[in-house]
Amino acid sequence: DGGITQSPKYLFRKEGQNVTLSCEQNLNHDAMYWYRQDPGQGLRLIYYSQIVNDFQKGDIAEGYSVSREKKESFPLTVTSAQKNPTAFYLCASSMGENTEAFFGQGTRLTVV
Amino acid sequence: QKEVEQNSGPLSVPEGAIASLNCTYSDRGSQSFFWYRQYSGKSPELIMSIYSNGDKEDGRFTAQLNKASQYVSLLIRDSQPSDSATYLCAVNGANFGNEKLTFGTGTRLTIIP
Repeated sequence: DGGITQSPKYLFRKEGQNVTLSCEQNLNHDAMYWYRQDPGQGLRLIYYSQIVNDFQKGDIAEGYSVSREKKESFPLTVTSAQKNPTAFYLCASSMGENTEAFFGQGTRLTVV
Repeated sequence: QKEVEQNSGPLSVPEGAIASLNCTYSDRGSQSFFWYRQYSGKSPELIMSIYSNGDKEDGRFTAQLNKASQYVSLLIRDSQPSDSATYLCAVNGANFGNEKLTFGTGTRLTIIP
């Protein structure tokens, strides 16, 4: 089945730890995105990538890092520098050229 | 000024009536516009895309775009309880090839049976 797979679905992190969220797509999409959603809030853009080996900061990139070594994969690392990481993280992809983006099921990260 | 603005609601509409959701955006050069529906605890799902001025209809949904006014709307006809969700407006980059996709904060819609 074609789609976007995020893992894990739930993730617990101790304070001071780095964690990496996985996002894989088999849609042959060029563009990929990471968003953060806090309760009752909209989606805020963390990073996005238009092609392999290239990515741009979004509106709230501080405390996060990404890589795009393969077209299919766009992992997000939440570093210890992110002071309030508890949130719902959503990965999306699109064909690019301003076309529709489709989302994975999300990862819910909780700091314990 | 936020890049994409929506009324947060909640918006309550009787079953069978028309629900009207509105969105404004700040970047006049924006190229493409989308409406997503998000149920509580779930990821957003695309329901409409629109790229040129005017109306676009898909079943009970109609998207309207007015680039001169920097305004995009979504109408839901014959509203059903299953339409109760948060609706997110999204706008893509001002320059062709700029894939920055920005969302509004969403409007929570409740359909009253």
